[in-house]
Amino acid sequence: DSGVTQTPKHLITATGQRVTLRCSPRSGDLSVYWYQQSLDQGLQFLIQYYNGEERAKGNILERFSAQQFPDLHSELNLSSLELGDSALYFCASSVGWSASAGELFFGEGSRLTVL
Amino acid sequence: QQQVKQSPQSLIVQKGGIPIINCAYENTAFDYFPWYQQFPGKGPALLIAIRPDVSEKKEGRFTISFNKSAKQFSLHIMDSQPGDSATYFCAATPGGSGGSNYKLTFGKGTLLTVNP
Repeated sequence: DSGVTQTPKHLITATGQRVTLRCSPRSGDLSVYWYQQSLDQGLQFLIQYYNGEERAKGNILERFSAQQFPDLHSELNLSSLELGDSALYFCASSVGWSASAGELFFGEGSRLTVL
Repeated sequence: QQQVKQSPQSLIVQKGGIPIINCAYENTAFDYFPWYQQFPGKGPALLIAIRPDVSEKKEGRFTISFNKSAKQFSLHIMDSQPGDSATYFCAATPGGSGGSNYKLTFGKGTLLTVNP
């Protein structure tokens, strides 16, 4: 158990809809990272927050947004969903703001299916 | 643009064999190279990591070999076991300054199967 909690574990929705994925980092970790995992693209970095502020941005679509709240949990909002958004979405956390400083702890992921 | 190229895509070995997974990178600013292991239904978990000031790092049966001039690094699993069957990801990230440099860039993964 990594200590990172993601909900929901599975989500099935229709095209055009909006969903929210939630992540609670390990106790004491200030950074939260969101990754998208698909069979053809592997693990793609979406966005990172550190202590409530956006720290780094990857290939995140404009239809997607995220935030980190004062209690350090984070939410990833996906809107106007398309079939191609079906994927596993992982949240990871770390103590510091730099991925090179140490380990990222990953949750078990939220599997999104868009029909 | 994929900045970390991983091969092979899949690998099958017999118990006791030594699977080798290779990764190559382009960005010379990368200075931290971890390997993550992922079992079905689970998130990736850190296995072992190396920084470019050493050419090899060993932890138990897992060894990273690093060739800075060739911009390549590889994972060797000694005396592999069926329990090692998983997907392995190499990754890389720069140190230091801000912006998108903070991101950990992953290879596309290698599905390893160790037969009994």
